[in-house]
Amino acid sequence: EAQVTQNPRYLITVTGKKLTVTCSQNMNHEYMSWYRQDPGLGLRQIYYSMNVEVTDKGDVPEGYKVSRKEKRNFPLILESPSPNQTSLYFCASSRDRGTETQYFGPGTRLLVL
Amino acid sequence: KNEVEQSPQNLTAQEGEFITINCSYSVGISALHWLQQHPGGGIVSLFMLSSGKKKHGRLIATINIQEKHSSLHITASHPRDSAVYICAVNGGGSNYKLTFGKGTLLTVNP
Repeated sequence: EAQVTQNPRYLITVTGKKLTVTCSQNMNHEYMSWYRQDPGLGLRQIYYSMNVEVTDKGDVPEGYKVSRKEKRNFPLILESPSPNQTSLYFCASSRDRGTETQYFGPGTRLLVL
Repeated sequence: KNEVEQSPQNLTAQEGEFITINCSYSVGISALHWLQQHPGGGIVSLFMLSSGKKKHGRLIATINIQEKHSSLHITASHPRDSAVYICAVNGGGSNYKLTFGKGTLLTVNP
């Protein structure tokens, strides 16, 4: 089954404790991206990747890191999480850049205390 | 930076009604997406448009590139259509970013 998976689905952590949210797709997609969704602000793009080893900032990259060492995986790293990073996070992939149909993961709900 | 505006923010309809949700954007794009998010659920892509019109079942999406405007129509609405509908645009050229509207919350009452 074609899908985008994210882990963990729910996470409660404390300020400053490094964490990684994994994202994996099995569709051989070139483009992968991370978004956060907040009430009243909607979805905002954090980082995206056009291919292996090629990443670029979205609209809200501060406090986040990403890497794309393999085509199928695109982890999101919070080196020192802060409460303002409490949010619902979605990973997505598409065949090519942002002009193709986006396939979203199920979401990761993060609470930073 | 592209600004994406959706209207209305909230919409309540009776089952069977024809629904229209609008999306306007400020600068040229290479593609526009319509997404659906059910309460507590994930996000599903409904349409990706670069021109013209697309239809899938009771859903129709149109885009007018010159006017920088798109509409999502739902015919014969049903309570299961109740969801947040989100418009997103991809900038043209080498711009790979996606910019989103804030969404339209649709409630269809039986």
